[in-house]
Amino acid sequence: DAGVIQSPRHEVTEMGQEVTLRCKPISGHNSLFWYRQTMMRGLELLIYFNNNVPIDDSGMPEDRFSAKMPNASFSTLKIQPSEPRDSAVYFCASSRTGGDSPLHFGNGTRLTVT
Amino acid sequence: GQQLNQSPQSMFIQEGEDVSMNCTSSSIFNTWLWYKQDPGEGPVLLIALYKAGELTSNGRLTAQFGITRKDSFLNISASIPSDVGIYFCAGQISGNTPLVFGKGTRLSVIA
Repeated sequence: DAGVIQSPRHEVTEMGQEVTLRCKPISGHNSLFWYRQTMMRGLELLIYFNNNVPIDDSGMPEDRFSAKMPNASFSTLKIQPSEPRDSAVYFCASSRTGGDSPLHFGNGTRLTVT
Repeated sequence: GQQLNQSPQSMFIQEGEDVSMNCTSSSIFNTWLWYKQDPGEGPVLLIALYKAGELTSNGRLTAQFGITRKDSFLNISASIPSDVGIYFCAGQISGNTPLVFGKGTRLSVIA
């Protein structure tokens, strides 16, 4: 089991640029979550999908943020245009809906916007 | 929204000491989980608790699901340097709802 795979591991970009973060969930998991982690706010849920359908995007900070899940094995989180306050570690996590299926996290993408 | 209050925020302990941290909520959760995050990595599940009153061990780790379903604690016995990291509690209402995370307890172990 390869675990949740995120890319890139690190991203440094200039303010105003578009940033795309990628995630491959664990095979067989049908729920996918995007979290943002900062020192000030801890782990914040941005959006989650069940069976590729966005269920709750109320955590997405602004319209500059968007997420897609075109199929069961791939999701993207896009920030356009990026701002310095978007600098954080972004985690993708997956699980099986229902039952006793814990959440498994990827190793995150550390985003720095200058 | 729902919030979990996790304490302490940070702790410095000597190697070999026992550690205790806890999480409380004003809302009921039906699942409690404890995760550990090492630097540069994502949180990794340590223990999952699915029943009120449940006490579960995983090696030197012991966690309990509070009987009121509004709290949980994690104990680490005989700490070692590799216990260093951030420990998060998380609560879940049902398998179809997302986890709510505490702000974490940052553990430092002095050899």
